[in-house]
Amino acid sequence: NAGVTQTPKFQVLKTGQSMTLQCAQDMNHEYMSWYRQDPGMGLRLIHYSVGAGITDQGEVPNGYNVSRSTTEDFPLRLLSAAPSQTSVYFCASSPRRYYGYTFGSGTRLTVV
Amino acid sequence: AQSVTQLDSQVPVFEEAPVELRCNYSSSVSVYLFWYVQYPNQGLQLLLKYLSGSTLVKGINGFEAEFNKSQTSFHLRKPSVHISDTAEYFCAVSGDFSGGSNYKLTFGKGTLLTVNP
Repeated sequence: NAGVTQTPKFQVLKTGQSMTLQCAQDMNHEYMSWYRQDPGMGLRLIHYSVGAGITDQGEVPNGYNVSRSTTEDFPLRLLSAAPSQTSVYFCASSPRRYYGYTFGSGTRLTVV
Repeated sequence: AQSVTQLDSQVPVFEEAPVELRCNYSSSVSVYLFWYVQYPNQGLQLLLKYLSGSTLVKGINGFEAEFNKSQTSFHLRKPSVHISDTAEYFCAVSGDFSGGSNYKLTFGKGTLLTVNP
């Protein structure tokens, strides 16, 4: 049981490049979310999903896309990277709203 | 809308001293409350949660928190801290909204607990 797996752990992008941050969970959780963490800002919700085929925007969705074709995977796409997207990204999953989320170990992204 | 305020951004304490990390929330509906811990260069780990029932909640690593509805607070406490408790602590809330939004977690900005020898 691997929990929530995020890849890559580190990434450097040039402004304007696109990429996909991968997230996979093997716990059959329905709920999945992407957060970004910036110093002094806590964690802010980017996008979330309540099941396969269902996604919606969170607090800071601009510049990011998501899809959820399976229960296990919830990739986050950066369409055209900007320096403001330099951050640590966390994927998390939960079986139900009151269980609390299980977090991945994060992807540290730098956009130059 | 729901929000979380962690009243202290940094809390330095000496080893074996007690500590309290403060959290206040606002929400128009019933809430579920959580505390998470983040050790350096790691993801977040759930410490404890309040769903309903007893207002005193016990978690892992000797931490506990008390839910106070009248003061809209959920403060985290430990009677005696260790060097290994040095980490960032996040309070989070989700509301009992109808529809799909009731599972979203809103986080505070975090409190850095530094335990000194």
